[in-house]
This record gives sequence, C-alpha cells and structure tokens, in this order.
Amino acid sequence: DQQVKQNSPSLSVQEGRISILNCDYTNSMFDYFLWYKKYPAEGPTFLISISSIKDKNEDGRFTVFLNKSAKHLSLHIVPSQPGDSAVYFCAASAHHGQNFVFGPGTRLSVLP
Amino acid sequence: EPEVTQTPSHQVTQMGQEVILRCVPISNHLYFYWYRQILGQKVEFLVSFYNNEISEKSEIFDDQFSVERPDGSNFTLKIRSTKLEDSAMYFCASSDPGLAGGRTGETQYFGPGTRLLVL
Repeated sequence: DQQVKQNSPSLSVQEGRISILNCDYTNSMFDYFLWYKKYPAEGPTFLISISSIKDKNEDGRFTVFLNKSAKHLSLHIVPSQPGDSAVYFCAASAHHGQNFVFGPGTRLSVLP
Repeated sequence: EPEVTQTPSHQVTQMGQEVILRCVPISNHLYFYWYRQILGQKVEFLVSFYNNEISEKSEIFDDQFSVERPDGSNFTLKIRSTKLEDSAMYFCASSDPGLAGGRTGETQYFGPGTRLLVL
C-alpha cells in the first residue's frame, strides 16, 4: 500500500541547472507535506514543508509546489549544486496526524 | 544549532536478545518518534510519543517493542526479543508543539540513526 510514491528512483542533473523531484500521494486526508534530504549514514534532514492551504512555498534555492487536485507535489532546486547530491524523501501527514508516511526516495546526483 | 542525538551508532546483537536504543531529543520538543529504515527500503513510522504516552503506533510496533522516557532528556526504544528482520537503521525524531491551536508534530527533526544488526 504505497500511499506516497516517488516514481523516479534516481535523477541526474548538471550543476547550475534545475532539479525537479516529484511525489504523488493517494490519501486525500494528507494535508501537510515535508521534503527531507538524506546523506548516507545520516538521518533525514528537513528541507522544506507545505501545508494544503498553500500551493507553493519557497526557501532559498528550494521551492515546493503542491497540486491538491492531482495529489502531486514537487521540489525544485535551482541552481543545483554538487552538495545537493543525496536521497530526497517526500513525507505526508493527515490532519492532526503525527506519523509521517514517507515515499521511497529519489537519489539525486548533481554532476559538476 | 540544537540536534537530536542517538546512541549507539551501531549495535550488533544475537537473535532473541533485548536491545535498547537511546535518543536525546531537542530539549524544548515535546513530541517524539521512532522510525526505521530497512536496507534498501523506505523510512517507516513506528511510534509517536507525547505527554508520557504513546499517541500513535504502526502495525510494525508490536508487543516486542516498547518506548519510554525515563527522565527529562532520554527517549528509548526497547526491542525485547530481537528477530533477524529487526535489522535496520532506527531513527529517532522530535518536534515542538507548534502554535497554540495549530497543528502538532509538524516538522520533525531526525537523529543520525542507530544501525541495528541482528545475527
């Protein structure tokens, strides 16, 4: 039962270009979404969040877009840097829920 | 910057043995969580803890698992009789209460994880 899907297991992007990571969800009760970045042998690091009352949230090089009707969100990183190379997880939570459901992750490689 | 810490970083144990994984959440946080990630799989929620009791738990969190906040700083996960399939990376996370009347458990901050290997 994959409530949160990240259909691209990996993505390669040239340094300086835009990285777009996608996430789809099936549970219409989800109303709060997070993106985490994870380096090997480390815990997930919070990047950016979005609530369902918004369709966009921006923080520096990171922008998250939410399309509620399509149950789709995306993370844009621009410009991409080699240090952005990591596994990116999308996570979702339902109203008053505390347990986040994670997607399987997308491994981003930013090539110099 | 405050961070969640976990000990040990690695633990190897024999099947059937008890293990205790320890976490020190961020000091002003009131919500605590355990997640696990089996090698090559996604991060899975185990349990959330607030006000000295479990608030939510997943199907994975069966009777073999327990959590405790023995003092004002530590948050522990105990596995009573480990099985081979308990081998995974275990992450602790914590979050603050959020705004009054607002959502709880919004942004969760993760520790570095404990890699558990059951032989």
